[in-house]
Amino acid sequence: SQQGEEDPQALSIQEGENATMNCSYKTSINNLQWYRQNSGRGLVHLILIRSNEREKHSGRLRVTLDTSKKSSSLLITASRAADTASYFCAGGTSYGKLTFGQGTILTVHP
Amino acid sequence: DGGITQSPKYLFRKEGQNVTLSCEQNLNHDAMYWYRQDPGQGLRLIYYSQIVNDFQKGDIAEGYSVSREKKESFPLTVTSAQKNPTAFYLCASNKKVVQSSNSPLHFGNGTRLTVT
Repeated sequence: SQQGEEDPQALSIQEGENATMNCSYKTSINNLQWYRQNSGRGLVHLILIRSNEREKHSGRLRVTLDTSKKSSSLLITASRAADTASYFCAGGTSYGKLTFGQGTILTVHP
Repeated sequence: DGGITQSPKYLFRKEGQNVTLSCEQNLNHDAMYWYRQDPGQGLRLIYYSQIVNDFQKGDIAEGYSVSREKKESFPLTVTSAQKNPTAFYLCASNKKVVQSSNSPLHFGNGTRLTVT
């Protein structure tokens, strides 16, 4: 079962624009994490937000979490061509396990 | 450089053969995981291990087996019983977590298995 469902499935923007990806989840979580995957590579952890937090920033990344709506969003500001990748949310619900969504494919055109 | 090494990067096998994918980490992490990724989809958990000599089934364990004889190593065997083995396999690890917390996963660069 997929914990997270990302929206949109694909996003195409110009360099310098902001990119917003959304994630919805079904069950209660302890935290929500965002990962990035370049084509044919492993995932890289971007940011973790705990269930008692509402917003978190890391560099050009801003993550929000709304536990009442069971949703999260990832905002990448001033996007660059190098941000082109797939982005996944993952919900942490039990000891040591994460359940991933299907991902958003982001394409940033130079 | 600490990290997770998966080998080989590409693997080709004939149907009916078992195949073992290697995963080694030098991060001193307690927990290790195997995920499967199909095209255009997210990751699905196959097996995970939180401590040496112990492991648990994930969401799609049928047709797979693992062992955890050493902290650094968590090999995955794809058996002939796995009906659709062709996929991208990702190994990950993280620090031992406390209840109500999940430390971030560190991933290897994957093994792409093709079975014909």
